[in-house]
Formats: sequence, C-alpha cells, structure tokens
Amino acid sequence: GDSVTQMEGPVTLSEEAFLTINCTYTATGYPSLFWYVQYPGEGLQLLLKATKADDKGSNKGFEATYRKETTSFHLEKGSVQVSDSAVYFCALPSNCSGDKLTFGTGTRLAVRP
Amino acid sequence: EAQVTQNPRYLITVTGKKLTVTCSQNMNHEYMSWYRQDPGLGLRQIYYSMNVEVTDKGDVPEGYKVSRKEKRNFPLILESPSPNQTSLYFCASTPTSSGTLNGYTFGSGTRLTVV
Repeated sequence: GDSVTQMEGPVTLSEEAFLTINCTYTATGYPSLFWYVQYPGEGLQLLLKATKADDKGSNKGFEATYRKETTSFHLEKGSVQVSDSAVYFCALPSNCSGDKLTFGTGTRLAVRP
Repeated sequence: EAQVTQNPRYLITVTGKKLTVTCSQNMNHEYMSWYRQDPGLGLRQIYYSMNVEVTDKGDVPEGYKVSRKEKRNFPLILESPSPNQTSLYFCASTPTSSGTLNGYTFGSGTRLTVV
C-alpha cells in the first residue's frame, strides 16, 4: 500500500541554520504530496503541497520539490527561526480510499536562539 | 472563520465510562475523518465519512464508533474506553474529492487520558 517514510527526529538546529527534513514515499502513480506543520498545542496546518512531478511547493520560506525519480519530497529552509520549532509531517493521498491521507511519523524540529 | 471545532480540548476519564468527543465544521465539507496521534506512530485514521449517513472504518477502528447525522457534525464515541486509547485525537475535513488535491483542515485536537 501507499506509505511515507520520514527521517527520525528530533532535529535540533541553531537559528539561521539550513534545514532539510527527508521524506520518501511509495505510491501508485503520481499523487499530490503534502507537508503539514504542528506547532506546540495546536492542530496540523497545511504548510505546502505539490500536485505533480517536478512541482515545487513553497510557503513561509520552506520549499519541497516533488521528485519522481527518487520518490522524494524533502522539506528545506535556508534559514530557520525559533518560531519554526514544531513537528513536521509528510503526507500523501491513499489510492485505496478516496480522500484519505497517509501521514509519516512526523519529525520534531527544535531551533535554538 | 472557516474552521473545524473539537471539544473538549482535554479529557481525563476512567476505564469503561462512555464518552463522546464532538467535531463540527462550518465549511460545508462532505468528507470528515478522525485520526489519533501517538508518539512514533504518526497519525492513524480511525473512521471517516464521505457524506451524511455514510461512514467507514479507517486503519484503527477498534473500540470507536462514529455517526454522521448532519453534514457539519462527526462525533467520535468511545463506548468503553481503555487505557490504550489514551492519545491525541484530531478531526479533519475536506470537500469530497478535494482532499487528494488540497489536503485537510484540522481541528485543534483533543488530548484524552484514560486511567
């Protein structure tokens, strides 16, 4: 079945460091891909998405490129801030069930001042 | 404001005491879903509903019930809670056939502890 694999956390960085959170997927066809962010004590918010191969999603300084050759959708940011501290989830639709999203296990990011 | 509202935010209960977590959305979305979030396991789908009176099991439905009598509401019912249902629960919604393109809108979560 469809699945998402994320890098284990936590990831701890100093402010202004470069961030990469790896995400690879297994899927039939070329589904849309999503990154969600969960700030402490809150629900998940859609951070960015890409709907087809080679698309780049971007938002709030974060970027991710849909790479079908490597079945990856890695999240990057050039200069992280303390306010980026959160848990990040990669997700893709399941081809088994209509609108179902399958999520990775999440990667916790902690940014030090 | 377009949103998904869950209540309560926090709940501590005892084993076997029936409880209901409410979920309501004001966006006229057809599709609604419940997830639970556990450390190291990410989010797992419990139940979903594609429209009024249409519900189906997700990946981890055991011990839960749902109903969809109205489009806006999708309560999660634990008839006899057990400690292994201690978790963080999220309700989410999306227009039908749009979730695969636009993703979900999530509620703020309900942290349930069963002692």
